[in-house]
Amino acid sequence: NAGVTQTPKFQVLKTGQSMTLQCAQDMNHNSMYWYRQDPGMGLRLIYYSASEGTTDKGEVPNGYNVSRLNKREFSLRLESAAPSQTSVYFCATRDRGVSGANVLTFGAGSRLTVL
Amino acid sequence: DQQVKQNSPSLSVQEGRISILNCDYTNSMFDYFLWYKKYPAEGPTFLISISSIKDKNEDGRFTVFLNKSAKHLSLHIVPSQPGDSAVYFCAASWGWNNNDMRFGAGTRLTVKP
Repeated sequence: NAGVTQTPKFQVLKTGQSMTLQCAQDMNHNSMYWYRQDPGMGLRLIYYSASEGTTDKGEVPNGYNVSRLNKREFSLRLESAAPSQTSVYFCATRDRGVSGANVLTFGAGSRLTVL
Repeated sequence: DQQVKQNSPSLSVQEGRISILNCDYTNSMFDYFLWYKKYPAEGPTFLISISSIKDKNEDGRFTVFLNKSAKHLSLHIVPSQPGDSAVYFCAASWGWNNNDMRFGAGTRLTVKP
């Protein structure tokens, strides 16, 4: 039971290059998310998908696109990378905890550096 | 607009003592508050949550206190253990189907043996 798996773990890009971060879950959750973590900023939501076939913008969507390929997979694409997109990216799924709170399960993260 | 704030970037405590991590929020619509723990090179993991209709939730060594009038919550760890050394994120959400959970910047806890 892998939970949430992200690839790649590390990537270095040059400004203007494109790349796709992959995320897959085996938890059978409907909702999936992409966050970025920057020093002093906490985690900020980039895009989310409430169910297969739907995607919506979060707090910081500019410069990114997403695809919800099926229930298991949710990818994040940078079409033309910029140094401001240097960050650690986390994919997550959502479930309802016993207390009623929405609980996120995160992948291990993908560290992206844009030169 | 940072709706969830953790004003202490770091905290250091002695093993066996109490750790108190603090979090403030501005949005009165939040109805659930959560704490996540993060080790290096790993994703955050859920630790404990509290509903806005409660003022305390306890799970083993971890207790979260909520003061709605002050828009403040805290996480108490008693007794602290070296394995508790990690970054702790405070998070808040509103509406069970709302997908926008807000996170604080995190507090790095170091528990010294």
